[in-house]
Amino acid sequence: ETGVTQTPRHLVMGMTNKKSLKCEQHLGHNAMYWYKQSAKKPLELMFVYNFKEQTENNSVPSRFSPECPNSSHLFLHLHTLQPEDSALYLCASSQEGPGGASYGYTFGSGTRLTVV
Amino acid sequence: LAKTTQPISMDSYEGQEVNITCSHNNIATNDYITWYQQFPSQGPRFIIQGYKTKVTNEVASLFIPADRKSSTLSLPRVSLSDTAVYYCLVVDTGRRALTFGSGTRLQVQP
Repeated sequence: ETGVTQTPRHLVMGMTNKKSLKCEQHLGHNAMYWYKQSAKKPLELMFVYNFKEQTENNSVPSRFSPECPNSSHLFLHLHTLQPEDSALYLCASSQEGPGGASYGYTFGSGTRLTVV
Repeated sequence: LAKTTQPISMDSYEGQEVNITCSHNNIATNDYITWYQQFPSQGPRFIIQGYKTKVTNEVASLFIPADRKSSTLSLPRVSLSDTAVYYCLVVDTGRRALTFGSGTRLQVQP
């Protein structure tokens, strides 16, 4: 257990379904991230939240909708996904220090998403 | 962002020392180097980080020459459980998020 918990670990959904991924961090960090890792591709940064405010959105399609109700929880709401969205979705957290540097960057174990 | 280049894959045998070199020719003065390990279907895990010279912890050593244009991760006496992807990252101290490259896939054979 890394201190960052993601649920569910596996998810299969149809293209017309709506589902949500959940991430919870128990490290007292103030920044949280969503990454996508497709097969044989590098991790792609999707969203960045700092103190519950979204600070980065890397041109992610609107069918992915993040929500950060507090510094400990992060959600990724999914709707009308495509088969090519099947991937490992990873959540991470860190503590932002002076000047925007990040410390203690920690990943969860991910949610393996399959869109059918 | 400083781009990193590392071998796509490496093979080794149990008990050997493995050195993975990463080049980062345009590293900035305030950047530091960090290495992560990732097993299949898991998130990356921090291994080691440094700014210059040599850093050692219970898992690995990191060698950074004076010009800082490259770094070498050294894994002493690898075992089968060290089979994983290893990522070299140059961290911009003014940016929150980490940017990952393709990493080096290390396969350890018995």
